[in-house]
Amino acid sequence: QVQLQESGPGLVKTSETLSLTCTVAGGSMTSYYWSWIRQFPGKGLEWIGYTYYSGSTHYNPSLKSRVTISVDTSKNQFFLNLTSVTAADTAIYYCARIVGASAFDIWGQGTMVSVSS
Amino acid sequence: EIVLTQSPATLSLSPGERATLSCRASQSIRNYLAWYQQKPGQAPRLLIYDASNRATGIPARFSGRGSGTDFTLTISSLEPEDFAVYYCQQPFTFGGGTKVEI
Repeated sequence: QVQLQESGPGLVKTSETLSLTCTVAGGSMTSYYWSWIRQFPGKGLEWIGYTYYSGSTHYNPSLKSRVTISVDTSKNQFFLNLTSVTAADTAIYYCARIVGASAFDIWGQGTMVSVSS
Repeated sequence: EIVLTQSPATLSLSPGERATLSCRASQSIRNYLAWYQQKPGQAPRLLIYDASNRATGIPARFSGRGSGTDFTLTISSLEPEDFAVYYCQQPFTFGGGTKVEI
């Protein structure tokens, strides 16, 4: 059974780069799309972007200038980098697998990231 | 950007009752709609994909229908564990959620 686990710092300073890793356990990354999603303290959900296992990517236009998602299938991991963070980037960050047109069928437990000076 | 509007914001019901949740898209999304359930402290859980297909392990009391701009999630008879927040999602935006409370 495939499981996802996010890891990374829980606190990032304003203007710095948020970096997270998602480790895929119990299955292969091949032939799937893998995504990052965040949930703000007020509970709204925002899709950040996705990567195919081959490395092709697609980002939320509102974040495109600051986001990079990459993948390392040899380690069964994919990554999120979000630059120039502000307090508005404070959220729970989830990684998830995409099935079908765009449904997220497997989620990590989420990791809370706070941005503060 | 396609906007998803969920209604009502809160639904107050009792166990055993039927719940009907609505999701409206600002333009046609064909059948590219998913529904999720989220409980406090947990990640969202996929219930329905492609508007009407139940995800693996989801009980038959959950059903989805609709296409184009109007979609519905129905819980035929609420169980105690169904009281949660429900989100709809299209590629790649989410609705604001409906809280189903006792």
